[in-house]
Amino acid sequence: DADVTQTPRNRITKTGKRIMLECSQTKGHDRMYWYRQDPGLGLRLIYYSFDVKDINKGEISDGYSVSRQAQAKFSLSLESAIPNQTALYFCATSSGGSGNTIYFGEGSWLTVV
Amino acid sequence: AQKITQTQPGMFVQEKEAVTLDCTYDTSDPSYGLFWYKQPSSGEMIFLIYQGSYDQQNATEGRYSLNFQKARKSANLVISASQLGDSAMYFCAMRTNAGKSTFGDGTTLTVKP
Repeated sequence: DADVTQTPRNRITKTGKRIMLECSQTKGHDRMYWYRQDPGLGLRLIYYSFDVKDINKGEISDGYSVSRQAQAKFSLSLESAIPNQTALYFCATSSGGSGNTIYFGEGSWLTVV
Repeated sequence: AQKITQTQPGMFVQEKEAVTLDCTYDTSDPSYGLFWYKQPSSGEMIFLIYQGSYDQQNATEGRYSLNFQKARKSANLVISASQLGDSAMYFCAMRTNAGKSTFGDGTTLTVKP
């Protein structure tokens, strides 16, 4: 089983719908992240959380919200999906410190039509 | 502010040859880590190699090595003896002790038979 699990892996949704992407990890890490990747481009940080009570906006948080339900769970919501939110979404985890690797989930392909 | 720059959108290499993917970075934090990830067409992010800012020697992991030149703020990835399976997108990333991570826009590597 993967250390970082994302569900759903693929989703097509309609404009205006609410959708939630869920992430769980078994690595025991305190830090969790949500990134967005547009085709052919790099990763942009949406939200990050250093522990259950610490949630921070990343560079592109508008239109998104998150919930850290437990140390191992971090969900991303699109309250009212729009077509330009069509992208590949990654959840990631790490321990603290600059030397600790970030581990990624397998990604969730989201298409908003 | 942190920044990662990958100046090569696309690179080609002949099978069995070596290739260098460029990465330059900018940060005012004295302690940081540099990472390279591989993203094949299937989309997952695979960790390849890590270099700490205080490490005296360049990191190596099998066919991957990191050419770290601190004064030039560069952290180039060298892949030796390229294989067809190395064709993918490669991302350079940096973490500081504050915990945030920054990714470059990636380089698409194509290995020719």
